[in-house]
Formats: sequence, C-alpha cells, structure tokens
Amino acid sequence: AQSVTQLDSQVPVFEEAPVELRCNYSSSVSVYLFWYVQYPNQGLQLLLKYLSGSTLVKGINGFEAEFNKSQTSFHLRKPSVHISDTAEYFCAVSGGRDDKIIFGKGTRLHILP
Amino acid sequence: KAGVTQTPRYLIKTRGQQVTLSCSPISGHRSVSWYQQTPGQGLQFLFEYFSETQRNKGNFPGRFSGRQFSNSRSEMNVSTLELGDSALYLCASSLGTASTEAFFGQGTRLTVV
Repeated sequence: AQSVTQLDSQVPVFEEAPVELRCNYSSSVSVYLFWYVQYPNQGLQLLLKYLSGSTLVKGINGFEAEFNKSQTSFHLRKPSVHISDTAEYFCAVSGGRDDKIIFGKGTRLHILP
Repeated sequence: KAGVTQTPRYLIKTRGQQVTLSCSPISGHRSVSWYQQTPGQGLQFLFEYFSETQRNKGNFPGRFSGRQFSNSRSEMNVSTLELGDSALYLCASSLGTASTEAFFGQGTRLTVV
C-alpha cells in the first residue's frame, strides 16, 4: 500500500524568498506522484505530476519538483514566492494505473511580507 | 468546459439523519472519486467509481456508500450521521483512470449537529 508523509505542517517564508516543501512516500510498486494546491474555500488544483520520464517536473505558477527514487522523495520548490502562493499544498501518490490517489496531510505555506 | 460541480455547497444535518451529496464530473470524464477532508485527518479516500462500477474503496464504515449513473454523475450517501462526519466532502473526476490526474470540485461542507 502507498503512503505519503509531508514533513512540515506549516512553512513560513518571506515574500520573494525560495521555498521547499518536503514530501516522502512509500510504495511497493512504481508510483505516480502529484502536488496539489488548495486555496481557502476551494477544491484542489493540480500543480504538477510525475508519471515517468524526466525526474525534474515543472508545473504551473513557477513550481517544480524532483522525483528521487533512492530517497523516496518528491520535494516541491519555487525560487521566489509571492503573497498569492499562500495556500495549503498536498503531496499525493498513486500506485499506478487504476489505483487510487492517496494524499499527505498537507503543508500550509505562509508568506511573510 | 464546465468544471466539476458539487451540490449542495453547504449542508446542516442532525445526528442520526442521512444525507446525499451529488457530483457532476467534467463532460467526458468517466471516473469519479470521493474524499473526506477534516482538519485532523486531512484528505481521506472514500471510493472511486468508473463506468458505474466501484473500482477502489477506502477504509470507511458501511454507512458511507456511493453510486455512479450512466451519465457519470455520482452520488454519495451517508446514513445514520455522527458528529464526526462533519467535514468537507470533495469529488474529483478523471478522464479515464484517477491515477493520472484528478480535477476537483469545490466540495460540500457538511455540518452534523
């Protein structure tokens, strides 16, 4: 069975500073990996996904993530954050085609002025 | 293209009652997944339907049930409501398999009193 651990429940960062949100997963099979963002009172929106191929994945809003199989990690990064990035970010894993998507508990990103 | 539509957006129910939530997926999408989101547990997978068949199921009691119609619209039902069922219920639709990308609705906020 798959599981996801997001190591930080909250991350404060100054505006225009870089940020990394950490995610580790466990799986006995090949995985698909995702990062979703949830703005207040909204559903979730896909930021980026890794299905196969290049381990560096670029997503929307300037975010990127790197799949590291040996460390079972899929950390999310952005070189310079903006106040509009204030949201909750969820890492998710799926065991492959026809498998369900399992989410981590989320990381709240607080942007400090 | 219309997104995923969940109705109603807000519900208040009394303990012991039952409730039905509705989800209309994006046109052409055949997979619908349901999640329960609470502050303590995060996003927990309930079940996934694909072409009117339940394909995956989470670890929820039998009071939680769902179904999918031939037009891919889905409903979930919770019987004998408990206070702990208060949550945001999110529906996600996917073109084929949920494991490649899921598009989320804004959710139904259920409050049990």
